[in-house]
Amino acid sequence: GNSVTQMEGPVTLSEEAFLTINCTYTATGYPSLFWYVQYPGEGLQLLLKATKADDKGSNKGFEATYRKETTSFHLEKGSVQVSDSAVYFCALSFQGGSEKLVFGKGTKLTVNP
Amino acid sequence: SAVISQKPSRDICQRGTSLTIQCQVDSQVTMMFWYRQQPGQSLTLIATANQGSEATYESGFVIDKFPISRPNLTFSTLTVSNMSPEDSSIYLCSVGGWGDYGYTFGSGTRLTVV
Repeated sequence: GNSVTQMEGPVTLSEEAFLTINCTYTATGYPSLFWYVQYPGEGLQLLLKATKADDKGSNKGFEATYRKETTSFHLEKGSVQVSDSAVYFCALSFQGGSEKLVFGKGTKLTVNP
Repeated sequence: SAVISQKPSRDICQRGTSLTIQCQVDSQVTMMFWYRQQPGQSLTLIATANQGSEATYESGFVIDKFPISRPNLTFSTLTVSNMSPEDSSIYLCSVGGWGDYGYTFGSGTRLTVV
């Protein structure tokens, strides 16, 4: 079946450090890939997405590239801020919204000043 | 992208009772999804709700415990029935993504069963 494996957390960084959160997937076919963010006490927000191989999603300084050859969609940010402290979820889906999202387990990021 | 209003935002309930969660979408959508997020865990799909047909439940979830209504294309409810402390979770509704908007989620209902 389809699944997402996400880097275990928690991750603790100092402000302005470089961030990488690894995400790999197993799927039959070519899914769309997503990163969602959940700030403390809030619901999920779409951070970025990519729908085909070699697409790069970007938003708020975060980037992730859809790598078909390595079935990966790693999240990166060059310089994190305290306000980036949140839980990050990698997810996949098929068929442009008519199918469910399959989530990774989530990675909790804490950024210290 | 669609905007979802989810109510209530949180509740504390006695075991054995039921709670109904509502989601209102600002546009017509074919499919709505209900997820559960247990404390410190990821999201697990409970069921998919299409307007005009019975909801489709994932393995491990049953209609008697989580009945869902979908009376029109902008509204759905999820009921958590005969609650126990193990039902303490965040429940979220979602609508499918299209174009550049991805999937949209409600703000969640934080349920505590005592």
